[in-house]
Amino acid sequence: EVQLVESGGGAVQPGRSLRLSCTTSGFTFGDYTLSWVRQVPGKGLEWVGFIRHKAYGGATEYAASVKGRFTMSRDDSKGIAYLQMNSLKTEDTAVYYCTRGVVVTVYDYWGQGTLVTVSS
Amino acid sequence: EILMTQSPATLSVSPGETATLSCRASQSVSSHLAWYQQRPGQAPRLLIYGASTRATSTPARFSGSGSGTDFTLTISSLQSEDFAVYYCQQYNNWPPITFGQGTRLEIK
Repeated sequence: EVQLVESGGGAVQPGRSLRLSCTTSGFTFGDYTLSWVRQVPGKGLEWVGFIRHKAYGGATEYAASVKGRFTMSRDDSKGIAYLQMNSLKTEDTAVYYCTRGVVVTVYDYWGQGTLVTVSS
Repeated sequence: EILMTQSPATLSVSPGETATLSCRASQSVSSHLAWYQQRPGQAPRLLIYGASTRATSTPARFSGSGSGTDFTLTISSLQSEDFAVYYCQQYNNWPPITFGQGTRLEIK
């Protein structure tokens, strides 16, 4: 069974950092692009970015709203993807979902999400 | 950036009837369009990709159509579990990947 489990969310002050993890199982992690999608509670979905698999050199792409502040990485040996979030802003408050991409950007499996709250 | 616009924002339909949801792209996305369902308190779930291909485990009462800029998700014989929020997503031109703002399907 394919599973993605996010962790690392919580409350943090503006300007601080947080690292989210996405621990996966049930599939060959190294063969897939992993993406992050966020959702302000009660609002719509916003793509954050993705990290491609090793065949594409682990290339990354980011939304303009997070580029330069957020960094994605992956550990294929452990089946874990990471989202390092620096210089956090109040507008980064959201539930962050880790997703598996087929055809890179079609998201067939999602984690349950982890809430990040940025507030002073 | 491709803007995705869904209509209506809220749709009220009775169980057993058919719901028709629309999604329009600001420029052509070919058939690179996916639909997701999100029930309260849950993560989104992939329903349709390639505009019309049902994902594994998507019931046959869900069908997608369209290409270019105009797309439709049709749900026939509505069941209680179908009342949820539905999002369309384009993956033709990226970055960024963009989603519509969602259509809430509620029980009439």
